[in-house]
Amino acid sequence: GAVVSQHPSRVICKSGTSVKIECRSLDFQATTMFWYRQFPKKSLMLMATSNEGSKATYEQGVEKDKFLINHASLTLSTLTVTSAHPEDSSFYICSANQGESYYGYTFGSGTRLTVV
Amino acid sequence: KQEVTQIPAALSVPEGENLVLNCSFTDSAIYNLQWFRQDPGKGLTSLLLIQSSQREQTSGRLNASLDKSSGRSTLYIAASQPGDSATYLCAVIIQGAQKLVFGQGTRLTINP
Repeated sequence: GAVVSQHPSRVICKSGTSVKIECRSLDFQATTMFWYRQFPKKSLMLMATSNEGSKATYEQGVEKDKFLINHASLTLSTLTVTSAHPEDSSFYICSANQGESYYGYTFGSGTRLTVV
Repeated sequence: KQEVTQIPAALSVPEGENLVLNCSFTDSAIYNLQWFRQDPGKGLTSLLLIQSSQREQTSGRLNASLDKSSGRSTLYIAASQPGDSATYLCAVIIQGAQKLVFGQGTRLTINP
């Protein structure tokens, strides 16, 4: 079955630094990947759609200069949280599908970001 | 705008019971519906995927149904076990779009 690997699973960084999170599709090519943010005991909030070889599409209210997305290959998308602040602390999850929505979506294991 | 609602928000039952989780959506023009499980601090695990042309899907003790016309889906869990304790999320994909629209989830606790 389709597998999405997300790394790191946990990261702690200091305020003002940048953090990169990787999302890889291990056994399929993903032209589109999705980045979500999840607050404690809340559902997932779609942040942006990552498109291979082109600019990401951000949801309303998401700062594209703070959350930089790069989808440089068919198996890798990265989310960089720039100049992180404590309010950026959250659980970030990526997902992908096998080319189209027909096959459903596979999610990574998530990254817990803590900014101190 | 598609909205997805899950009822109840939390459910606690003794081990061995059969239970039903509910999911409703406001726009019946969906492409498919997917049920996920999320354990605390973890990502989402796909449980069942129902295409819009299908009425139900089964996997082991899980059975998911879909009634597009009424905008409802149910997840039936038979003979519940403590290991089934988790948050269950349903999500729909709107026709013509790739985005998943999630419900708020049902937090399920199975007591030994």
